Amino acid sequence: EPEVTQTPSHQVTQMGQEVILRCVPISNHLYFYWYRQILGQKVEFLVSFYNNEISEKSEIFDDQFSVERPDGSNFTLKIRSTKLEDSAMYFCAIPSGQAYGYTFGSGTRLTVV
Amino acid sequence: AQSVSQHNHHVILSEAASLELGCNYSYGGTVNLFWYVQYPGQHLQLLLKYFSGDPLVKGIKGFEAEFIKSKFSFNLRKPSVQWSDTAEYFCAVNARRDYKLSFGAGTTVTVRA
Repeated sequence: EPEVTQTPSHQVTQMGQEVILRCVPISNHLYFYWYRQILGQKVEFLVSFYNNEISEKSEIFDDQFSVERPDGSNFTLKIRSTKLEDSAMYFCAIPSGQAYGYTFGSGTRLTVV
Repeated sequence: AQSVSQHNHHVILSEAASLELGCNYSYGGTVNLFWYVQYPGQHLQLLLKYFSGDPLVKGIKGFEAEFIKSKFSFNLRKPSVQWSDTAEYFCAVNARRDYKLSFGAGTTVTVRA
């Protein structure tokens, strides 16, 4: 069983629609990260989240993006008005506890049409 | 900020051949180094990591990597590949005491039976 579960595994949405990607770690974590991978490109850092606040974000993470921890256990990444270029694989990640490594979630493939 | 470059975009090998994937990073301070693997349709999995100590690091599935500080390199090796090693391989680095990862563009490895 994976330590970090992401839902949905695949989402197709119309341009301009809002999407919410969810991530549920098995155990409680204070630190949380989102990355994305556009098809054929490198994995890019989006945002880090610590203790219910954004601790760092990349220039990709503009006003269309937001992160929340709605109920103390799972984490969400929201894209308010999706664009075609938001089509990518989105990964959440939690620190693995040992020397600054990660455990990555199973990923959500977002397709914007 | 760190940056990571992977020398090969796509490598095609026959089973039992040896594999070496190049990775160089640029960063002025102390870093942690990682290799991740992404099998088709799956999430990122950690192959191995280096933080300190012996610069030759052994990971899962027979992979190893050598950190050469003077060359800012962390090349991945496997003496004899199998068909199941077909995957995308990512080198990544973060600064000591910082979880945020910078990834290389990835190398697609195709092993032919």
